[in-house]
Amino acid sequence: GIQVEQSPPDLILQEGANSTLRCNFSDSVNNLQWFHQNPWGQLINLFYIPSGTKQNGRLSATTVATERYSLLYISSSQTTDSGVYFCAVRHAGGTSYGKLTFGQGTILTVHP
Amino acid sequence: NAGVMQNPRHLVRRRGQEARLRCSPMKGHSHVYWYRQLPEEGLKFMVYLQKENIIDESGMPKERFSAEFPKEGPSILRIQQVVRGDSAAYFCASSPSQQGGNEQFFGPGTRLTVL
Repeated sequence: GIQVEQSPPDLILQEGANSTLRCNFSDSVNNLQWFHQNPWGQLINLFYIPSGTKQNGRLSATTVATERYSLLYISSSQTTDSGVYFCAVRHAGGTSYGKLTFGQGTILTVHP
Repeated sequence: NAGVMQNPRHLVRRRGQEARLRCSPMKGHSHVYWYRQLPEEGLKFMVYLQKENIIDESGMPKERFSAEFPKEGPSILRIQQVVRGDSAAYFCASSPSQQGGNEQFFGPGTRLTVL
């Protein structure tokens, strides 16, 4: 099956700092999503971005499908950004049907 | 437009009991996916269903676990004779169709604790 690797595994920031999270995947995808899992365990959809660039407030994301990676940018971080950020992909080939394969996540801690 | 609904949000069972987890997809969505998140781990796919059909159950444990999505009502994930290793967060997601890798929307999860 497809492999998804996220980096860095942990990230500690001071409020106001910027950060970049990376997601590498091992094969072609036709779906890529970024999620934020907040401290209460809820999964929040951030971006649906199988290719291209999107922005939503302080967050933006870029996927370069031909090079098999995606980046999530967080600018002017706030304490409420703390939590785990997951990248998930749907393999374009084989018998993956609709399932998403998740990376292991990046744990972000933002200090005031 | 209500999101994906899951209930209960928290479920406590003793070893050997049955657990039933329910998921109502978003309005207009006919595709349901179940994922499990073990403590300190990422999410792992379990099963993908359409109304009255199991499409992909490659991530389901071979024993004690079953899932259904009947013509009427929510999707149900059923765990028989629960063991402590079943303690996890179970998430349900839905999408409007399987074509073209549609975006999946996740529910709040059910946190199962097995005593």
